Amino acid sequence: GESVGLHLPTLSVQEGDNSIINCAYSNSASDYFIWYKQESGKGPQFIIDIRSNMDKRQGQRVTVLLNKTVKHLSLQIAATQPGDSAVYFCAEIRTSYDKVIFGPGTSLSVIP
Amino acid sequence: GAVVSQHPSWVICKSGTSVKIECRSLDFQATTMFWYRQFPKQSLMLMATSNEGSKATYEQGVEKDKFLINHASLTLSTLTVTSAHPEDSSFYICSAAGHFSGNTIYFGEGSWLTVV
Repeated sequence: GESVGLHLPTLSVQEGDNSIINCAYSNSASDYFIWYKQESGKGPQFIIDIRSNMDKRQGQRVTVLLNKTVKHLSLQIAATQPGDSAVYFCAEIRTSYDKVIFGPGTSLSVIP
Repeated sequence: GAVVSQHPSWVICKSGTSVKIECRSLDFQATTMFWYRQFPKQSLMLMATSNEGSKATYEQGVEKDKFLINHASLTLSTLTVTSAHPEDSSFYICSAAGHFSGNTIYFGEGSWLTVV
């Protein structure tokens, strides 16, 4: 997808606190959204997804919220752990797969 | 769960040579595969989208003659970096999408290319 080659914004969180990572998406035709976690030197790893007919979905320690009115997506991580330190990307997709657009990513740093 | 495998994980090549990177979907049929390039501390930059049996669609600014993409089967796509130069050194990642687990897109582990 399109993406911006900017240096990543960073979020620092104390271990045990909740983390909220935000993402603004651009295309109102996107109907499927995925959050990925990428550790240093590895490929992105699927965390959770949500379709445009939902506004909230929960997984294990993670919750994704979708606000279609303002085209905003967020990932909430409960009780953040050191192993959660990574870069997090949101992806917006049209399920015809003709376009996959990635957000610029957020680097999450967990302070022990 | 779905697995996408990339090979090689690491490759070093001489300037002017060509390098092929493979992307395989191991337990599902990938109707669409994507190739990305990623520089340190930056986001994924889509290079091209390939559908099985048809020509890849390249993003603006990506040289199709330099980055050859082949998607010959529903489980294999290849990226060949032709006449590689040091500026082509990067982390290359593929992803695949298919009719599996709600059409989620899965990523390979990436391939580090260093051109010397």
